[in-house]
Amino acid sequence: KNQVEQSPQSLIILEGKNCTLQCNYTVSPFSNLRWYKQDTGRGPVSLTIMTFSENTKSNGRYTATLDADTKQSSLHITASQLSDSASYICVVSSGGGNKLTFGTGTQLKVEL
Amino acid sequence: DGGITQSPKYLFRKEGQNVTLSCEQNLNHDAMYWYRQDPGQGLRLIYYSQIVNDFQKGDIAEGYSVSREKKESFPLTVTSAQKNPTAFYLCASSNPWTANTEAFFGQGTRLTVV
Repeated sequence: KNQVEQSPQSLIILEGKNCTLQCNYTVSPFSNLRWYKQDTGRGPVSLTIMTFSENTKSNGRYTATLDADTKQSSLHITASQLSDSASYICVVSSGGGNKLTFGTGTQLKVEL
Repeated sequence: DGGITQSPKYLFRKEGQNVTLSCEQNLNHDAMYWYRQDPGQGLRLIYYSQIVNDFQKGDIAEGYSVSREKKESFPLTVTSAQKNPTAFYLCASSNPWTANTEAFFGQGTRLTVV
């Protein structure tokens, strides 16, 4: 059964600090991995996408890594801002990209 | 603006009633999806459609129905057979014929049974 597990479940950090979110997956065949940001009561928005051959991808203060051998990904947020408070969801695609398996998300709260 | 629009944002349903959630996209995407999101759980697929006049059950289709008469529209009906319909519903669309295509999500509809 395809699964995506994320950790931690929730995280509280001070503004300006860095943090790293983890994603482990058992999805086959692998097509790509995306990180989405979901603000409370809103739809998810894509941050990064990585295919099998990519190890790292950046989008501003967000940097995602992928280790296809260990089936792990991480999302690193640098110099956090209050607006980073949201749920971050790891999504792995299989079967040509149309079958999506969602993680349960990491709820991040950035405080002053 | 190109995008995907869900309505209404909030919906209240009495027990025993059917309700329909609207999803419209002007992205010219062939594929559309309905997901349900519950606290502490990942998004779960209810129904998806790869092309007009065709749709497939997802992982939790019982108590739901859909139609795809137009490319732009993919309404979801929550029937009285759905025993626990209170949840956040998300609609998405994508172009399935493009490698590594992105799924674009609507802003969601929060359904509450009263």
